[in-house]
Formats: sequence, C-alpha cells, structure tokens
Amino acid sequence: DSGVTQTPKHLITATGQRVTLRCSPRSGDLSVYWYQQSLDQGLQFLIQYYNGEERAKGNILERFSAQQFPDLHSELNLSSLELGDSALYFCASSVVPENTGELFFGEGSRLTVL
Amino acid sequence: GQQLNQSPQSMFIQEGEDVSMNCTSSSIFNTWLWYKQDPGEGPVLLIALYKAGELTSNGRLTAQFGITRKDSFLNISASIPSDVGIYFCAGPKIIQGAQKLVFGQGTRLTINP
Repeated sequence: DSGVTQTPKHLITATGQRVTLRCSPRSGDLSVYWYQQSLDQGLQFLIQYYNGEERAKGNILERFSAQQFPDLHSELNLSSLELGDSALYFCASSVVPENTGELFFGEGSRLTVL
Repeated sequence: GQQLNQSPQSMFIQEGEDVSMNCTSSSIFNTWLWYKQDPGEGPVLLIALYKAGELTSNGRLTAQFGITRKDSFLNISASIPSDVGIYFCAGPKIIQGAQKLVFGQGTRLTINP
C-alpha cells in the first residue's frame, strides 16, 4: 500500500460526458502528480500541483483540468470525453516540489469511454 | 526529444532464469529510476541511481547507471513468478522550465512456471 488513494477505481461513461477523478496523497506529501496510461503505453505526465499551486504542466488536453485543495487532495476533471480518453489515470505524490522521480503511485482509476 | 527507449519490449522466460533489460536515451540524465507495475496496480519504485557508473542492488535486482549517463540496465537474477509485470525506466528532466519525470515504454515480463 503506497498510501495514495484514488477513487473511483473503475468508471464507465459515454462520449461527451464529464467525469472527476479524485486523489488523496500520502500523509505529509505536498506534491500531487497526474499521469495517463493508455493501453500498452507508458506513463504520460499530465500535471503537477505543489501545496495547492500548479507546479508543472505536461501533455494535458484543454478539455482536462485539475486542482489541489487546501487539504491537499486533488481532482482531475475530464470533460467532453472522447473514445481516445479511455485509459488508466494515475495519481502520485511526493514530499518535495521538484520531481526527483521518487514518486508514490496510487492504484489508478480506469476510465472507459463508450 | 526526451524519449527513453526500453528493450526488449517484452520477454517470455522460464522460472529461475536471469533477466536483463535496458534503457537508452539520446540525451543525458542525472538520475535513473526503475519502476515495476504489477497487473492492476500502480508503479512502484524499485531502484534509484544518482551517479554515473553506480551499481545498486535491491535483493535479486541489480541496476546500473551507464557511464555515458545515456543508459541504464536492470538485471533480475533467478526469476520467480512474482517478478511478472511491466518494468519502466524513468528519469527526471527539465522540460519547458519545469522538472518532469520521463518514462520509457516499459518491458513486459512474462514467466512460464
């Protein structure tokens, strides 16, 4: 158990819809990262927050947005969903603001868009 | 760009065999990391390497930071069924002014009992 909690574990929805994925970081971790993993693909970095502020941005679509709340949990919002958005979405956390690579990952939220 | 190339993409071995996989880049990395992803789980950090030429072990796993800083190797000795999964190399890199973690595409390990 990494200490990072993601909900929901599975989500099935239709094209055009909007979903919210939630992440609670490890106790004491101030950085939260979101990654997307498509079928048989590596991990694509989407966005990082540190202590409530956006820290780094990756290949995140304009239809996607995220935020980190005062209690440090984070939400990833995916809107106008397309079939190609079907993927595993991972949240990870770390203590420091710089991404040193030593991340703790949650178990992921599997999104299926039909 | 910042791509990390892993090989092989997949491996099918017998239990008890040794495993070798590697990761290469066209650019220099100052840190190399190896993660493992079990089926249905998130990636877990196995080994972190911080110095060119460094050789680090974690149980039956041994990883090396290439002397050119453009590659890294992971070896698994005497494989067992729980070694099944996808192994990712990764390295932090400054991209567009922010430090981000770049991942390879993974090596999928399958073990025949």
